Amino acid sequence: NAGVMQNPRHLVRRRGQEARLRCSPMKGHSHVYWYRQLPEEGLKFMVYLQKENIIDESGMPKERFSAEFPKEGPSILRIQQVVRGDSAAYFCASSPPATLSEQYFGPGTRLTVT
Amino acid sequence: AQKVTQAQTEISVVEKEDVTLDCVYETRDTTYYLFWYKQPPSGELVFLIRRNSFDEQNEISGRYSWNFQKSTSSFNFTITASQVVDSAVYFCALGNAGGTSYGKLTFGQGTILTVHP
Repeated sequence: NAGVMQNPRHLVRRRGQEARLRCSPMKGHSHVYWYRQLPEEGLKFMVYLQKENIIDESGMPKERFSAEFPKEGPSILRIQQVVRGDSAAYFCASSPPATLSEQYFGPGTRLTVT
Repeated sequence: AQKVTQAQTEISVVEKEDVTLDCVYETRDTTYYLFWYKQPPSGELVFLIRRNSFDEQNEISGRYSWNFQKSTSSFNFTITASQVVDSAVYFCALGNAGGTSYGKLTFGQGTILTVHP
């Protein structure tokens, strides 16, 4: 059973471009969480999604950031018009519906904005 | 609001020393989960342990042990006979166990552990 997959692992964008980060949860997992880790900081919750629904987006910046988890395909975290302050590691975690406390993390995507 | 405090920003030890990483948490929930994760220099997050709030039994796994004390809201992590490979950032996290944010984790700032040969 493959683990949580994230791609790309490293992403470089110039200021003003769009960044699209993908997360494929483990097989059978219908819940996805996105976290952001700014340099030398802990992880901060961004958004919690189930298939086709956003459950909690209280940690997501109001502008430029959006997330989706369609019926088919990976979850996408989209950052429009990136700025240098968006440079961070973005981690995705997934959990099975029956035991939401079991979260399995992907390897992360390291976004660098130049 | 949930909060996790790891007061030790950095710890430096010599190989074979024992080291304890402190974690104090705040929550109004009666049911919750506590976690420890290791983040080695390669950057991925390695799951170490999950403990639910109604199980205060301490746990030992090889050189690792955890001391959960609800009375002081602490969940400390001890590495016995540390090794250079233990060098990493260690995160303590608190998980919601109910409501719409079930599963959401609140992380501490992390403790950087450096083990010198």
